[in-house]
This record gives sequence, C-alpha cells and structure tokens, in this order.
Amino acid sequence: ETGVTQSPTHLIKTRGQQVTLRCSSQSGHNTVSWYQQALGQGPQFIFQYYREEENGRGNFPPRFSGLQFPNYSSELNVNALELDDSALYLCASSERTGVYEQYFGPGTRLTVT
Amino acid sequence: AQSVTQLDSHVSVSEGTPVLLRCNYSSSYSPSLFWYVQHPNKGLQLLLKYTSAATLVKGINGFEAEFKKSETSFHLTKPSAHMSDAAEYFCVVSEWRVEVGGTSYGKLTFGQGTILTVHP
Repeated sequence: ETGVTQSPTHLIKTRGQQVTLRCSSQSGHNTVSWYQQALGQGPQFIFQYYREEENGRGNFPPRFSGLQFPNYSSELNVNALELDDSALYLCASSERTGVYEQYFGPGTRLTVT
Repeated sequence: AQSVTQLDSHVSVSEGTPVLLRCNYSSSYSPSLFWYVQHPNKGLQLLLKYTSAATLVKGINGFEAEFKKSETSFHLTKPSAHMSDAAEYFCVVSEWRVEVGGTSYGKLTFGQGTILTVHP
C-alpha cells in the first residue's frame, strides 16, 4: 500500500510569484485535505477536496486554490505569494469525507523571500 | 466551534520513566479525537484515535489515551519513554461541518503541539 506522497520537498519563491504543490493520495482514498503549518505552530486547515470538488474551506484567502483529479491526486496553488506564506504545506488523505482519520504526507517546505 | 488546548508546550522526561501529555478539547458534539506525532522535518503520523467506542484507546509504540467526557480531556500516556519517542505531539479533534452551500466535510483542528524531550 502506497502512502501519501508530495512534491517537491522544498521550494524557494519570490514574493508575488505563484506556486503549485502536488499530492498523491493513499491508495483507496478519495478525499484530500491541505494544511499549512507555520514554524512552531500546529497545522491549519486550508481546504478539502472530495470527488474533484472543494467541499470545505478554512480561513484562507481566495489566492489559495486547489484541484483534485479523477485519480484523487491533488494540487494546491498559491498566487501572489507573501512572506507569511512561508511554511510547511501538508497534504492528507482519507477513505472518504467525514470525521475519519487522515493520513499525512511528508510535506513541502515553501520559503518565500 | 471546536478547539483543542494542549496544556504543556514542552515536556521533558528521562528514558524509562512515564510520559503524560495533556489535552483538553471543546466540541459542540461528540467528537472524534486523535493524537499525531511529528518527528523533525517529517510529516504527521497517526498514533491513535477515539471514535466513541472504548474510552481507553491503545495506539502504536506503546502509547494510549483515555477519553474523559466529564473532564473534556484526552491525555496521552506511555508507561516507559524511549529515546525514539522524542518528537512533537499534536492532539486533534475532528468535527462534522456543513458549509453554507450545503456541502459537508470532516474538519481537523490541531492543538499547538507538545514537544517531548527524552533524556538518557
């Protein structure tokens, strides 16, 4: 059974640029959630995708957007990067949407300069 | 709205002694609760989960947690610490949310984390 994978592992961008992060869900999982973890903080929920539709969103601005593909993999896009966007971005998958455990990937470390 | 409070930001123990990481939660409904562990520069690993079955939950690596509704607590314990247990631990509550547009989903809310240090 393949776990959740994310790419790239590290990324450095300049303020104002755009970035795309990728996630492959665990085999058999159709729900993907994205989280932002700033240094020294717990992860914060960005949004969740279920069957290729966004079905829930946290307190993040519209410049954070995403996609889910038919194979349940997902992308997180961030436009107009700001310095405060520097963080570890975590992707998690679950068997279906609901109050179920989520399985996390290793994360993408984004640095905005 | 749901929330999680981890009562200690840092806990330090000696190898072979018991571990106690404290967590209180607030939730409008019967929650699902989890503990996750994060080793340095790694993703999050699920340690254990409570989903309204037995109140004493056993997890991986000898960890367990007890759900106490009257105290709204979900403390994590281990009888004997090992050096490899040194990591950051997160208490997490999951709650069913319904959006204005009618979609629904399970949202995880994390505590601020407890860093566990294990001394030889």
